[in-house]
Amino acid sequence: GAVVSQHPSRVICKSGTSVKIECRSLDFQATTMFWYRQFPKQSLMLMATSNEGSKATYEQGVEKDKFLINHASLTLSTLTVTSAHPEDSSFYICSARATSGGASRLETQYFGPGTRLLVL
Amino acid sequence: GESVGLHLPTLSVQEGDNSIINCAYSNSASDYFIWYKQESGKGPQFIIDIRSNMDKRQGQRVTVLLNKTVKHLSLQIAATQPGDSAVYFCAENMGQAGTALIFGKGTTLSVSS
Repeated sequence: GAVVSQHPSRVICKSGTSVKIECRSLDFQATTMFWYRQFPKQSLMLMATSNEGSKATYEQGVEKDKFLINHASLTLSTLTVTSAHPEDSSFYICSARATSGGASRLETQYFGPGTRLLVL
Repeated sequence: GESVGLHLPTLSVQEGDNSIINCAYSNSASDYFIWYKQESGKGPQFIIDIRSNMDKRQGQRVTVLLNKTVKHLSLQIAATQPGDSAVYFCAENMGQAGTALIFGKGTTLSVSS
């Protein structure tokens, strides 16, 4: 259980185009999803928190007009990189928060397989 | 800045040895910790978690130890196998609904046969 998928797995685009990445929770509902970016040999850096039915919360330094997030349903969040540039090339990873059971407020996050974006 | 970090960027072990990967955190308010394994080109894979009201938790071949006094977290892997080769991250959050995880820098574990 707790499977998260991402599509596409990799994408190559020209500078100036927009790219949409989908994140789906396959066997559970996720009111909250998170988007991370990871550069080679570095750790995951949180970009934004996506909440179903409301606006995303962006981390400091992340341009909300450039990285558009839409959490349309309890199983789908999308990240659109608008007017992509070579410096946006990175590994984008989403995670979904799953309830661990019981009345605990603590919840485990499960990650998607990531999307490799290369902007030429 | 980061509130979670790892002591060593790389760790090399022989197959069959036990591995210990360490992590220091600085946020004393953190009450939930997770270890993830990330293989090249893939997303992080959940290994084991622990809450701050515990100091030890065991899984299959893995044990997580939490020392809140010195704010230290460790992952022990028994009988390390070549398939364990990956980057290991510790992550923390304060457990409040909706909060994201803060990741450490990662330790690359290399297992030789």
